[in-house]
Amino acid sequence: NAGVMQNPRHLVRRRGQEARLRCSPMKGHSHVYWYRQLPEEGLKFMVYLQKENIIDESGMPKERFSAEFPKEGPSILRIQQVVRGDSAAYFCASCPGVQETQYFGPGTRLLVL
Amino acid sequence: AQSVTQLDSQVPVFEEAPVELRCNYSSSVSVYLFWYVQYPNQGLQLLLKYLSGSTLVESINGFEAEFNKSQTSFHLRKPSVHISDTAEYFCAVRVYNFNKFYFGSGTKLNVKP
Repeated sequence: NAGVMQNPRHLVRRRGQEARLRCSPMKGHSHVYWYRQLPEEGLKFMVYLQKENIIDESGMPKERFSAEFPKEGPSILRIQQVVRGDSAAYFCASCPGVQETQYFGPGTRLLVL
Repeated sequence: AQSVTQLDSQVPVFEEAPVELRCNYSSSVSVYLFWYVQYPNQGLQLLLKYLSGSTLVESINGFEAEFNKSQTSFHLRKPSVHISDTAEYFCAVRVYNFNKFYFGSGTKLNVKP
């Protein structure tokens, strides 16, 4: 059973471009979470999704950020018009149900030039 | 609101010495407690967790943590560290019936020969 997969592992974008981060949860997991880790900080919750539904997006910036988890395919975290402050590591985690342990992917390290 | 405090941002220690990584949390409701480890350029791996029952929990690689409700602490300990334990360690809490994790800012453990 493969773990949580994220791609790309590293992403470089210029200011104003779009960044698309992908997360494939573990097999059998229908709950996906996105976290952001700024340099020298812990992980901060961004959004919690189940298949085709956003359950909790209280940690998402109000503008430029969006997330989806379609019926088929990976979960996508999309950042439009990136700025330097978006540079961070973005981690995805998945679990099979509510109140289960979350398993983390290796992260996508976004660098905005 | 919940918060997690890891007072020590860095802990240097010599190989085979004991170590304690401190974690305190603040919550008005009951929580589950976790320790995750992050090796360089990798995602977070679950080290151990407290859900219920015995307040002392152990990992397979010699770490242990004790839940102290009165002191709202969940300190991580190991009696004898190895070079391979060098990593960043994150304490996290999750509220009962909610699936959102709150992470501390992390403690970098640096084991020296």
